[in-house]
Amino acid sequence: EIVLTQSPDFQSVTPKEKVTITCRASQSIGSSLHWYQQKPDQSPKLLIKYASQSISGVPSRFSGSGSGTDFTLTINSLEAEDAAAYYCHQSSSLPQTFGQGTKLEIK
Amino acid sequence: EVQLVESGGGLVQPGGSLRLSCAASGFTFSSYEMNWVRQAPGKGLEWVSYISSSGSTIYYADSVKGRFTISRDNAKNSLYLQMNSLRAEDTAVYYCARGIVNWGQGTLVTVSS
Repeated sequence: EIVLTQSPDFQSVTPKEKVTITCRASQSIGSSLHWYQQKPDQSPKLLIKYASQSISGVPSRFSGSGSGTDFTLTINSLEAEDAAAYYCHQSSSLPQTFGQGTKLEIK
Repeated sequence: EVQLVESGGGLVQPGGSLRLSCAASGFTFSSYEMNWVRQAPGKGLEWVSYISSSGSTIYYADSVKGRFTISRDNAKNSLYLQMNSLRAEDTAVYYCARGIVNWGQGTLVTVSS
């Protein structure tokens, strides 16, 4: 099973700040890495697919990069509405796995 | 607009059974692979099961293998998860997902005596 490790687990940030969340895979997964945002009492929302592909309707301040084992989600100019949990997810091999999540708090 | 609506959750005793359903609309259901993913209260996401567009290929997480059965009815645009021998650790919100892109709102399954 491929283990995805996110860092940090929690981050408290101010609006307009730039945020970087990393996801490290226990073995190479190519670009089969996706990022989700989940707000309280809501289902996950896809932000980035296949490491760096943007999703229609997602604000351009969200971007992704990486391949192999190391991946990054970047949020430029953070907004208050970005307070949420963020998860990475690999679909390279079964079982599909998720990172443990990163909770983002807006100061 | 893609819509996925789960139903069938509820309170069940340990050892009991439940059948979850996911009604799909807004896309050609028969063309898409589907997944069930769950989230225990206050916890992260756990993939549960996958089914190919035709239903010919199926996979399960080890934690549910032998107890859960995924199926689909492409004529009814519906996905199912039959859950038997339920345990307390199966308590979670269960989401159906179209591939990796679209998720339903989830249905809560609580296993407790």
